Amino acid sequence: GAGVSQSPSNKVTEKGKDVELRCDPISGHTALYWYRQSLGQGLEFLIYFQGNSAPDKSGLPSDRFSAERTGGSVSTLTIQRTQQEDSAVYLCASSLVQGYGYTFGSGTRLTVV
Amino acid sequence: KQEVTQIPAALSVPEGENLVLNCSFTDSAIYNLQWFRQDPGKGLTSLLLIQSSQREQTSGRLNASLDKSSGRSTLYIAASQPGDSATYLCAVRPAKGGSSNTGKLIFGQGTTLQVKP
Repeated sequence: GAGVSQSPSNKVTEKGKDVELRCDPISGHTALYWYRQSLGQGLEFLIYFQGNSAPDKSGLPSDRFSAERTGGSVSTLTIQRTQQEDSAVYLCASSLVQGYGYTFGSGTRLTVV
Repeated sequence: KQEVTQIPAALSVPEGENLVLNCSFTDSAIYNLQWFRQDPGKGLTSLLLIQSSQREQTSGRLNASLDKSSGRSTLYIAASQPGDSATYLCAVRPAKGGSSNTGKLIFGQGTTLQVKP
């Protein structure tokens, strides 16, 4: 597609439920990033994928968070047993070269009630 | 640990005014610094990227400067317009440690700009 697509755009879930957030990057972009933006906070790095290399998971806040990228394209961020503090906007970005030319999606707004 | 700070957190100016947004970072070991714009409910749009070896970059009415040694960057917006109203985010790409191998960016919390007609 022309841009980075994220779905759903909004998600309301009950505390304790699992959620899956999807990111469809720009075709051909080998680098894919997930960031989290909480109310009043800056963007917080979560995880990075580059081609077939092992992902950089250093930003994942707990073992309830995981992500995968299938076939070097679509990525799914999974949050298990959601907590209220997980409420945030989850942004995905892709780039052709790591660290340059980021294109961000519009994000998924997650609300845990 | 690299930290990025943006001042002010919010700014309101009348249309036509020139303005400066500030960004500071604690570790001068960076590959580059980027300025992004975020509109409500939207993702981020890249505005300007300054490599660590550069002093400034310009795009239209926008000019970004970088003083790596002092850990500062400014975004200058000339002749502001209501359409410039948005949140402006500064981000650095660290050149140290694991971050340097991933292209991970460290973001400030942003400055929310309102330009009044």
